Amino acid sequence: SQTIHQWPATLVQPVGSPLSLECTVEGTSNPNLYWYRQAAGRGLQLLFYSVGIGQISSEVPQNLSASRPQDRQFILSSKKLLLSDSGFYLCAGDRGSTEAFFGQGTRLTVV
Amino acid sequence: GNSVTQMEGPVTLSEEAFLTINCTYTATGYPSLFWYVQYPGEGLQLLLKATKADDKGSNKGFEATYRKETTSFHLEKGSVQVSDSAVYFCALIRNTGGFKTIFGAGTRLFVKA
Repeated sequence: SQTIHQWPATLVQPVGSPLSLECTVEGTSNPNLYWYRQAAGRGLQLLFYSVGIGQISSEVPQNLSASRPQDRQFILSSKKLLLSDSGFYLCAGDRGSTEAFFGQGTRLTVV
Repeated sequence: GNSVTQMEGPVTLSEEAFLTINCTYTATGYPSLFWYVQYPGEGLQLLLKATKADDKGSNKGFEATYRKETTSFHLEKGSVQVSDSAVYFCALIRNTGGFKTIFGAGTRLFVKA
């Protein structure tokens, strides 16, 4: 079965510092991959999705970027974090018409 | 375009009450429909799914029926428990133009003892 490894689970970063969150996929190839953010008490906001290596679509303009250097690797980055970047970040994937599978998420606190 | 609309929360119920969380969708083609659940402090997990019209997905006492005529996939449970307190997400996977999962905004459910 498909699994996503996402790390770290929690992260505290100062304002203005860089960010790199990584997720890797096991158990399938050529998945669609997604980064979502969930602010406290809010729903899932789609940030980026990727249908293949080097193919990134951004859903909302923001301080973040994403990259997919390998088929099973999806990275979320920022050059300078803002306080408003705090939240729960979730990496997800799907393959064809099957249900999505998720990482465990990263809780980011920008201080 | 493709979208999923859920009823706004939070929904607060007493234990053993009947639950309905409404979900409607807009999609081209024939999407598969899903409900995911996120328990406090955890990631999302699949609750149930339906892949074609009139299918009923069910799990842990929850049910949802794929209604193509009303483009709906409402989540129901006859008797909720405190342990059902969570955030519930309706989602679809479109099957045209490349597969893509689209989530609703989520509905937070609080069940009181």
